Amino acid sequence: DVKVTQSSRYLVKRTGEKVFLECVQDMDHENMFWYRQDPGLGLRLIYFSYDVKMKEKGDIPEGYSVSREKKERFSLILESASTNQTSMYLCASTRREAPYEQYFGPGTRLTVT
Amino acid sequence: GQSLEQPSEVTAVEGAIVQINCTYQTSGFYGLSWYQQHDGGAPTFLSYNALDGLEETGRFSSFLSRSDSYGYLLLQELQMKDSASYFCAGTDSNYQLIWGAGTKLIIKP
Repeated sequence: DVKVTQSSRYLVKRTGEKVFLECVQDMDHENMFWYRQDPGLGLRLIYFSYDVKMKEKGDIPEGYSVSREKKERFSLILESASTNQTSMYLCASTRREAPYEQYFGPGTRLTVT
Repeated sequence: GQSLEQPSEVTAVEGAIVQINCTYQTSGFYGLSWYQQHDGGAPTFLSYNALDGLEETGRFSSFLSRSDSYGYLLLQELQMKDSASYFCAGTDSNYQLIWGAGTKLIIKP
């Protein structure tokens, strides 16, 4: 059974802290994505990666960075957390072939106080 | 830019049929996908239309018309467990998904 896991289900951090969110997939997928989801705004792409050590900015990369040192692992880093980064963070992976189905992790609900 | 429009909320009765529409403004979409998301859960894949026409998967069907930049998700024999948010998403030339804002489906007994 395909699986995407995320390091934490709930996380509470203080303003200014460095935050690491990890995502691991066991499907040998080439592409991995980080989204944030806020009510009424749908899913917004933060960063994505086509391959190991490759990364591309999505629609809202400001305040975030990513790392992909191994094919199965894609990390999202908040260098200095701010309250406006309080959100649900979702990781996904997919193959480079139709139907381009994205498999999602369970999400991390991050609260920055 | 690329965008997909869908209604924010749709209400239907258990056992009925409901259609959720999605219109898009873009060029070069490879296809249109639909995802379901229950409250507190992650999105899960429902269907993908690469070509014009209707794709059927059990109680769910999805339709695409590229000439009209339009698609819809049709849910038949609605069950209470179908209460969820439904997202349409277009696959662009970089294999990314461009997402609609989602439609909350409310089902009444």
